[in-house]
Amino acid sequence: GESVGLHLPTLSVQEGDNSIINCAYSNSASDYFIWYKQESGKGPQFIIDIRSNMDKRQGQRVTVLLNKTVKHLSLQIAATQPGDSAVYFCAENMGDGNKLVFGAGTILRVKS
Amino acid sequence: DGGITQSPKYLFRKEGQNVTLSCEQNLNHDAMYWYRQDPGQGLRLIYYSQIVNDFQKGDIAEGYSVSREKKESFPLTVTSAQKNPTAFYLCASIQQGTYGYTFGSGTRLTVV
Repeated sequence: GESVGLHLPTLSVQEGDNSIINCAYSNSASDYFIWYKQESGKGPQFIIDIRSNMDKRQGQRVTVLLNKTVKHLSLQIAATQPGDSAVYFCAENMGDGNKLVFGAGTILRVKS
Repeated sequence: DGGITQSPKYLFRKEGQNVTLSCEQNLNHDAMYWYRQDPGQGLRLIYYSQIVNDFQKGDIAEGYSVSREKKESFPLTVTSAQKNPTAFYLCASIQQGTYGYTFGSGTRLTVV
C-alpha cells in the first residue's frame, strides 16, 4: 500500500498494551477537536471528538483528553490491536467555514 | 449507503496537462472541502464550498480550480500552473451544525 507519512513520529506498541498519541494544537480559540485514523491508501475515518468545554471524553476503547492550558490533546487506545495500526491525526475546528486544521500525524505500529 | 465517492483512485498527469478529480456525495451535506496530503505532512486545505455556486480559497489554492454547480458534486481541477501536483487528494463534506468531516477514499495523482 501507499505510505502516507514517511517522516512522521512513530509509536510502536505491543498488542494488548495501551497506546497514547499526543498532539499540540495552535489556536486557543478552537472550540472543537477531532481524532481521525487513516489506513494506508484510504481516507481518514472519524474516531472521537471533544468540545472545548470538556477535558475528557470516552468512546469504545478510546479516550480523548484535552488540556486547554497547554493546548494539548491526547488519544488513548486501550488494549491496542493489530487493526489499530494506522496514522492518527488530530484536527481542530477553527469555526470559520467549519475548516479543520490538521496536525502532521503519528504512525501507530502494533507488534503481535 | 450514504457516502463520498472520489474518482479515479489513481490518476497520472503529463507535464502541462490539466486534470479533474471527481468528488460526489449523497449525504445531503451542505459544505464540501478539498485537501491535499503529502508524505510527512498533515492535510492542507485547497478549496471549500459552503453552498452551491459559491466557494472559497483555502491555504494552498494556487494552481487549482473548483466548481460547485450541484450540491452533490465538487470537482477539483489541477491545472498546469500547479508545479508540484503529485500528492494524495482528499475530498470531505459536512452538514451545517455539525463539526466533523466525512472523507472520501482519496485520489492519488502522479505526474509522469
